[in-house]
Amino acid sequence: GNSVTQMEGPVTLSEEAFLTINCTYTATGYPSLFWYVQYPGEGLQLLLKATKADDKGSNKGFEATYRKETTSFHLEKGSVQVSDSAVYFCALSDRSGYSTLTFGKGTMLLVSP
Amino acid sequence: DAGVIQSPRHEVTEMGQEVTLRCKPISGHDYLFWYRQTMMRGLELLIYFNNNVPIDDSGMPEDRFSAKMPNASFSTLKIQPSEPRDSAVYFCASRSGGGLSYGYTFGSGTRLTVV
Repeated sequence: GNSVTQMEGPVTLSEEAFLTINCTYTATGYPSLFWYVQYPGEGLQLLLKATKADDKGSNKGFEATYRKETTSFHLEKGSVQVSDSAVYFCALSDRSGYSTLTFGKGTMLLVSP
Repeated sequence: DAGVIQSPRHEVTEMGQEVTLRCKPISGHDYLFWYRQTMMRGLELLIYFNNNVPIDDSGMPEDRFSAKMPNASFSTLKIQPSEPRDSAVYFCASRSGGGLSYGYTFGSGTRLTVV
């Protein structure tokens, strides 16, 4: 079956530091890949996505590249802000008729001033 | 668009009571999902519907849980009787059928506490 593995958190960084959150997946075929963000007390919001190999998703300074050869979709940001503190979820959706999202367990990011 | 609307935002109930959580998906979205989030287990898919029909309820923990979608704009998740281990945040999400590359839109969740 499908699965997503994320690095465990919390990830603690100072403002303006470089961020990487690792995500690897197991799936049949060619899934679509997503990063969601959850701010405290809120639901999950789509941050970025990539639908085929070598695609790069980007939004709000965050980037992730769909690497089929390493089955990875690592999230990066060059300079984090305090407002980026949240829980980040990697997810995949396969291409079957009734595809559902499979989520990783989430990685908490804490950014201090 | 108001997004996916869930109610109530918070629910505190006593063990043994019936609890009903409500969700209004985005208009035009034909998939609806119910998730449960806990610290221990993360996000778990409980059940999902397509065009108001339940497709997969294998994630529903036990017979105490039931979900309905009587029309395209409303769904409920019911727990009867509730137990302390049901305490969690319950999320509803919706998606359009062609949205494989668009992901889901989540509601803000219902935080359930069973005492």
